[in-house]
Amino acid sequence: GAVVSQHPSWVICKSGTSVKIECRSLDFQATTMFWYRQFPKQSLMLMATSNEGSKATYEQGVEKDKFLINHASLTLSTLTVTSAHPEDSSFYICSARDASSYNEQFFGPGTRLTVL
Amino acid sequence: AQSVTQLDSQVPVFEEAPVELRCNYSSSVSVYLFWYVQYPNQGLQLLLKYLSGSTLVKGINGFEAEFNKSQTSFHLRKPSVHISDTAEYFCAVSAGGTSYGKLTFGQGTILTVHP
Repeated sequence: GAVVSQHPSWVICKSGTSVKIECRSLDFQATTMFWYRQFPKQSLMLMATSNEGSKATYEQGVEKDKFLINHASLTLSTLTVTSAHPEDSSFYICSARDASSYNEQFFGPGTRLTVL
Repeated sequence: AQSVTQLDSQVPVFEEAPVELRCNYSSSVSVYLFWYVQYPNQGLQLLLKYLSGSTLVKGINGFEAEFNKSQTSFHLRKPSVHISDTAEYFCAVSAGGTSYGKLTFGQGTILTVHP
């Protein structure tokens, strides 16, 4: 149980285009989802927290207009990187939490974004 | 706010030897502590967690960790490692207050097991 999937697993795009990454909880209802980014050889940095049906809460320094997060259902959250640039190239990982496991997050496999 | 420090960025060890990966945290409130493992180009897999109760926590793949409140540590141990344990390990803390439920990660420790 507690499986989280991400799609796509990797994506290459041209500079200036937008990319959407999906995060799904497959066997539970995710009341909260988190989005992280991980640069090579670095740790995970929390970008934002999204609660189903509410606006996402972004961490300091994360541009909300550039990283659009939607959490329209209890099993799906999306991260859209708008007008992507090479410096946005990174590994993006989502995690999900249900109402009964407040202190545990289940992680997706990650999405590797490369912006040319 | 909480923070996590993993004291070793890389730990090389021979197969079947014991290993300890060190983690210290700081927080002004009660914490919940986690260890995750990440294989290349993959997400994170939970190894073990401390929420409350016994300070010695056993996890998957033969790993265990001990919560030491006085030393604010949560070191990860395994008595005998395998080649397949080669991966990056992250210690994380979730605390109360305004950060309730959010995970703060350490910098990661790359464990390399040599034959």
